[in-house]
Formats: sequence, structure tokens, C-alpha cells
Amino acid sequence: KDQVFQPSTVASSEGAVVEIFCNHSVSNAYNFFWYLHFPGCAPRLLVKGSKPSQQGRYNMTYERFSSSLLILQVREADAAVYYCAVCGNQGGKLIFGQGTELSVKP
Amino acid sequence: GAGVSQSPSNKVTEKGKDVELRCDPISGHTALYWYRQSLGQGLEFLIYFQGNSAPDKSGLPSDRFSAERTGGSVSTLTIQRTQQEDSAVYLCASSLEDRGAADTQYFGPGTRLTVL
Repeated sequence: KDQVFQPSTVASSEGAVVEIFCNHSVSNAYNFFWYLHFPGCAPRLLVKGSKPSQQGRYNMTYERFSSSLLILQVREADAAVYYCAVCGNQGGKLIFGQGTELSVKP
Repeated sequence: GAGVSQSPSNKVTEKGKDVELRCDPISGHTALYWYRQSLGQGLEFLIYFQGNSAPDKSGLPSDRFSAERTGGSVSTLTIQRTQQEDSAVYLCASSLEDRGAADTQYFGPGTRLTVL
């Protein structure tokens, strides 16, 4: 079955580097997408791709079936739900993980 | 420019009633997607449109669910004879085309549906 796996919660402290891991079992998926979601608001794409990449404080590592989102210098305001998703090279359907709720202690 | 908008933002209905949820994609985006987030669950794909046609309806959970898109723009998701398990946040996204990873999907804020 096509699935995406990520931890349900991650806890951190302000200023640390947070890593959220994701892996999948989708045979024709080569690209990862990391979304930030504050409940009640629109999910926002942070970083995507089929190779390691960086957007501001967000880094994405890449392996064929796994990726990690690294958040540098994490802040209390980063506390939210982070979704990992994968997509094949054709069509646009995203397959999402369950979401990881990040908590940040001051 | 305006992002993806959805209406209503909240909808409370009684079991057995029909509901319509609306999505206005970003202007010029040809691909439109519907996802659902049930309580404690991740985002679940429902259906996507390329223009007015729906190449992939594989995520629709039952024949009570249908969607249409007219004029290559606005889309309506209809749920007939709603059940309590239909309660969820329904999210719409659009992208320039449907080239998969090449086109970022931009999400709307969602419609929270509660079926009593």
C-alpha cells in the first residue's frame, strides 16, 4: 500500500536544530514535499524536491525513500504541524503523512 | 495576488442532508485538488481536476461524494446524505499545471464540516 510515515510528535527547545524524519513506500514517487500547517490556515509549502535543498531556515535531506526536514534555530512560533508528502513524476496527487506536531519550549 | 479561497469556512449540517463546498483556485491555475483531513488523520487525497476533467477520482470515499469544475476555474465538492464520518476539514489546492513535482500546490484555508 502507498503510505508515507512520519513521527506524530517532536519536541524541541528554542534555538536548537529540529529534525523531522519521513519515509515512504510509494513505488513511483521521487519527490518530497514539506508543508507547514497552522490549523485553520492554509498549509504552506516550505521546501520540495528530489535532491537536498534549502529555503531559509528549512533544509531538506534526500534519499530515494526518505527525507528529513531540518529547521534551524527553531523558535516558539515554529510550533505547528509539519506534513511530509510525496508525488510521482506524473500527475499531481500528493500522498501525505499523518503530520508531525512540533512543540518548542522557550 | 489572491490565493486559493474556500467557502464556507465552517459548515454544520444534520446527518442525511446534502452539502456543497466551494473552491476558487488561483487565477490561471489549471490543476485543482481536493483533500480531506479527518480528526487525528493526515491529509487524504480525494480528487483532482485538469481543466474541467477529473483524471483521478480514486480518493473519493463513496458514491455520495462528487465534484465538478466549470470554466476551468471554480470547483464544487458535493456530499450527499451526509454521515457523521464525513466530518472533517476539506482542503482545496491549485497548481499551474499537473506536472507533479514541477508545480507547487497552493492550499486554501479549508472548510470545516461538522455533521451532527
